[in-house]
Amino acid sequence: QSVLTQPPSASGTPGQRVTISCSGSKSNIGSNYVYWYQQLPGTAPKLLIYRNDQRPSGVPDRFSGSKSGTSASLAISGLRSGDEADYYCAACDDILSGLWVFGGGTKLTVL
Amino acid sequence: QVQLVQSGAEVKKPGASVKVSCKASRYTFTGYYMHWVRQAPGQGLEWMGWINPHSGGTKYAQKFQGRVTMTGDTSINTAYMELSRLRSDDTAVYYCASGDLLDKFDPWGQGTLVTVSS
Repeated sequence: QSVLTQPPSASGTPGQRVTISCSGSKSNIGSNYVYWYQQLPGTAPKLLIYRNDQRPSGVPDRFSGSKSGTSASLAISGLRSGDEADYYCAACDDILSGLWVFGGGTKLTVL
Repeated sequence: QVQLVQSGAEVKKPGASVKVSCKASRYTFTGYYMHWVRQAPGQGLEWMGWINPHSGGTKYAQKFQGRVTMTGDTSINTAYMELSRLRSDDTAVYYCASGDLLDKFDPWGQGTLVTVSS
């Protein structure tokens, strides 16, 4: 059972907009930044969104992040087949000691 | 470009220990923390802990306390994660990931598959 809660699956057709939610608590999302990682099949996770809504260089602006209270969301617009992957949210759960938690992951299928 | 290269796959028997290495290149190794994250087959990501290569300080997830040891060798820019008293449910891909204590994990190593089987 992961500390952060994500839907196990999401889907959409090419061109559509999909959102993936991530629910936490006051100690993690409610107090700290949220991060999103994309894991393409058979590869290591890759940073997708940092500090709630910031994109690293090279990440298309089709990907966006937001946070409100103890929940966060990842939105993907203009869905493409190459976006089919697992998506994980993460947050620090204790800033004094740097304890981190992940969501259980959401498998995105492009129909 | 910053890069983390991990050691190769391992097969271990229950009760044994495994030590995975993670070599950093093209950045200041002692300037960032090194986190370790594992992923069991078909499962999600699980944070294990971090090491500060500069000070040697560590913090482990409660689940792994007493079984995991994270170390670093600054002379060769390499971090290590050793897990002892292995069980079958420790079978997973183990990743290292560089980052600040309270900020993004980036980049990640390619992963090391550890299989625990009798």
